[in-house]
Amino acid sequence: DGGITQSPKYLFRKEGQNVTLSCEQNLNHDAMYWYRQDPGQGLRLIYYSQIVNDFQKGDIAEGYSVSREKKESFPLTVTSAQKNPTAFYLCASTPGGSSYNEQFFGPGTRLTVL
Amino acid sequence: EDKVVQSPLSLVVHEGDTVTLNCSYEVTNFRSLLWYKQEKKAPTFLFMLTSSGIEKKSGRLSSILDKKELFSILNITATQTGDSAVYLCAVELNSGYALNFGKGTSLLVTP
Repeated sequence: DGGITQSPKYLFRKEGQNVTLSCEQNLNHDAMYWYRQDPGQGLRLIYYSQIVNDFQKGDIAEGYSVSREKKESFPLTVTSAQKNPTAFYLCASTPGGSSYNEQFFGPGTRLTVL
Repeated sequence: EDKVVQSPLSLVVHEGDTVTLNCSYEVTNFRSLLWYKQEKKAPTFLFMLTSSGIEKKSGRLSSILDKKELFSILNITATQTGDSAVYLCAVELNSGYALNFGKGTSLLVTP
C-alpha cells in the first residue's frame, strides 16, 4: 500500500536530549513537509523540502533540523535548543509541481519531553 | 502577514442537526483552499476549492468558496456522532510554499 509512515507513534525524552522523528513515503512525491500541532492550535510549518538535497525553513524552524538525502525520507531532529518540544508532529507529502494536489499526512508522532 | 481564521472554534450539536463551519482568509497569491477532518490523528482530506461559486459535495458534506469575499464554508447535513472531529481549513499560496492552516473548529455531535 502506498502511503506515509511516521515512527515512533509515541516518544518520550528527557529535557536536553536530541531526538529524531522518522518520516518515510512510498508515493514517489517530490515535496515533503513537517508540521507541529499544539492543543487547540492549527498546524504550523517547521520545514519543507520540494526536492532531494534541498529544504527550506518554515515559520517555526528554530530548534529543529532536517535532511533530505533520499526522495522517500525526510527525518526531523528536535534539538535541545527547542524550548517547548512537547507536541504532536505531522509529516506530509505532495507530488509537487504546478498541478493542484492535496497534501497527504502521516499518522503523526506525539513527542513528550519530561 | 497571511492569515486563516476559522469560526466557531468549537461547536456542540445534536445528531441530525445541520452545521456550517466558516473559514476566512487574508493571503497574498491565493492558489487553493482545502478542508481536512482530523480525528485525534492525521488529517484526512475532504475538499480542495480553487474557483469561486462551485460547490463541492461528498455525501452529507459540501463546501463552497467565495474568492471575492475571501471565505469558504463547510456544510454538514444530518450530522452523525462519527462527524465529531476537528475540521481544519488551509490555504495554499501560489508560491507552492506550504499550507497555511487555521486553528480548526472542534465539532462534537451528541446522540
